[in-house]
Order: sequence, then structure tokens, then C-alpha cells
Amino acid sequence: KQEVTQIPAALSVPEGENLVLNCSFTDSAIYNLQWFRQDPGKGLTSLLLIQSSQREQTSGRLNASLDKSSGRSTLYIAASQPGDSATYLCAGDRGSTLGRLYFGRGTQLTVWP
Amino acid sequence: DAGITQSPRHKVTETGTPVTLRCHQTENHRYMYWYRQDPGHGLRLIHYSYGVKDTDKGEVSDGYSVSRSKTEDFLLTLESATSSQTSVYFCAISPPRGEQYFGPGTRLTVT
Repeated sequence: KQEVTQIPAALSVPEGENLVLNCSFTDSAIYNLQWFRQDPGKGLTSLLLIQSSQREQTSGRLNASLDKSSGRSTLYIAASQPGDSATYLCAGDRGSTLGRLYFGRGTQLTVWP
Repeated sequence: DAGITQSPRHKVTETGTPVTLRCHQTENHRYMYWYRQDPGHGLRLIHYSYGVKDTDKGEVSDGYSVSRSKTEDFLLTLESATSSQTSVYFCAISPPRGEQYFGPGTRLTVT
């Protein structure tokens, strides 16, 4: 069974800091990896998708990378803002299982002004 | 936002009653998924579908069944609701090997 660990579980930082959120999989055979954002009481918003042939993706102030040899991914948030406050979830699939995602429990981020 | 709706958005039901949740998409994606989200467990896959009438079990499928008679609709049924099925249920869609998009969720309370 695929287990996904996200570190740290919670993070509180002042506005403007650069952040790194970590995600690791017990089985390094990850095909696609997605990072999501979830606001309280809301659904999941997809932030970045790293597909099988890729090693990283960037969108605005966000950059995600995937090291397939170790089964580890990082999400880098540059110049954090209070609006970035949310829970960030990583999830991966194993290719052969038709897109079934295995989720971590998330990192709860608070950015204060 | 991806065209995914879930209904109902909130439901309170009694133990032992059947409950059906609906997921509707307007994106014509082939794959659809049902997850549940619980504190301390994160999101877990219940069932998924890889085409009309093609479904399979996820990791927490006991007590749940699904049906997909049309590309756009994926139904999740709790055959006899129990308190352990109190949760937030999310539907997701994706093209093959692609990005998954999630619906707004259904908050189900079983009393």
C-alpha cells in the first residue's frame, strides 16, 4: 500500500517568506504527482501536475519538483502572502492503477501579515 | 473551474437508510472518482470509473456501490448508512493520465 507523508503538518510564517513543503511516498514508483490547495470547508483546487516525463512544474510563485528515485516531492512557494493560507495536499498515482491518487494528510499553512 | 457539480451539498440521514450522492460533469472526461475525506485519514478512494458501466473498487469500498450509466454522471450509493460513513465526499474527474479536478464536496451526516 502506498503511504504518503507530508512534512511539516503545520507551518506559520510572516508574509514575504519563501517556503518549502515536503511530500514523500513509500513506493517511489510515482507516475503523476499533483499538488492541491484546500481552503476550509471547500473542495480541492489543483495547483500543479508533474507528469511522468517531467521533473518539475512552475506556476507563478509556485514551483514543484519530483525526485522519482527517492519518491520525494517539494512545493516551493516564493514571497508568501496571507492569501496563500490554506492546506496543501500532495497526491500521486502509480500509473498502472488508472489514475488512483494516494493522498498525504496535508500541510496547514498560515501566512500572517 | 472544471465543470463538476455534486448533489446534494449537505445531507443528514438516519442510520440504516439508503443514500445516493450524485456527481455530474460537463467536461466529457473518461475517468471519474469518489473519495471521502476524514480528519486523521486524509482523502481515500472509494470507487472509480474508467468508462460508462466500467467501475472498480478503491481502498474503502465496503458499504458503498456506484453506477455510471452515462459519461457525465457517477452515482455513489450507501446501501444502509452507518455513523462511520459520516464524512465529506468528493467527486473527481480526469482525462486518461491527466490532471484530476475535484467537485465542491458533499457533507454527509449519519445520525
